[in-house]
Amino acid sequence: AQTVTQSQPEMSVQEAETVTLSCTYDTSESDYYLFWYKQPPSRQMILVIRQEAYKQQNATENRFSVNFQKAAKSFSLKISDSQLGDAAMYFCAYDPTGNQFYFGTGTSLTVIP
Amino acid sequence: DTGVSQNPRHKITKRGQNVTFRCDPISEHNRLYWYRQTLGQGPEFLTYFQNEAQLEKSRLLSDRFSAERPKGSFSTLEIQRTEQGDSAMYLCASTTLGGHETQYFGPGTRLLVL
Repeated sequence: AQTVTQSQPEMSVQEAETVTLSCTYDTSESDYYLFWYKQPPSRQMILVIRQEAYKQQNATENRFSVNFQKAAKSFSLKISDSQLGDAAMYFCAYDPTGNQFYFGTGTSLTVIP
Repeated sequence: DTGVSQNPRHKITKRGQNVTFRCDPISEHNRLYWYRQTLGQGPEFLTYFQNEAQLEKSRLLSDRFSAERPKGSFSTLEIQRTEQGDSAMYLCASTTLGGHETQYFGPGTRLLVL
């Protein structure tokens, strides 16, 4: 079974500080994709960042970056210079086949002004 | 590009009733996915279409659930004889043809079965 684990149900960060959200996954595949999605309260999920497993370089998107450790099956999200608008649920998703995503249970991020 | 839309946004029904949800994907997106999200959980895959063909169904999709995408554009998800356990957010996503593409999600339909 494909499983994605987000071990931090809730996290908080001071505005302008940095926070890291963790994600681990279980797989026997060598080629797959990983995603972080953001779900603001009562709003739709939007893509934050995407990582291809065969690429060694960690993906970066403005203030968002990942630490992808393939051997450890770890895919953490770092948010730098946190802003109030970053407050949301963050979901890690694993895509082994291109046919469906497997999501973790999410991390609720609070940004403290 | 108006994004993925879903209707209705909210639905309250009584146990035993049938409900139908609609999803309009981003135009020209070939693939369309349905997920279910319960409180405190991440979305769980239900089924997906490539054009009008339903290619994969989760074992979560019981016989009471049926999905269609008759012309390869919008899709409907019907739940027959609803049960309280069906209460959840039903999410639709679409993407272009090809593996591992980013899925674009709609706002969801929140179903409450009384």
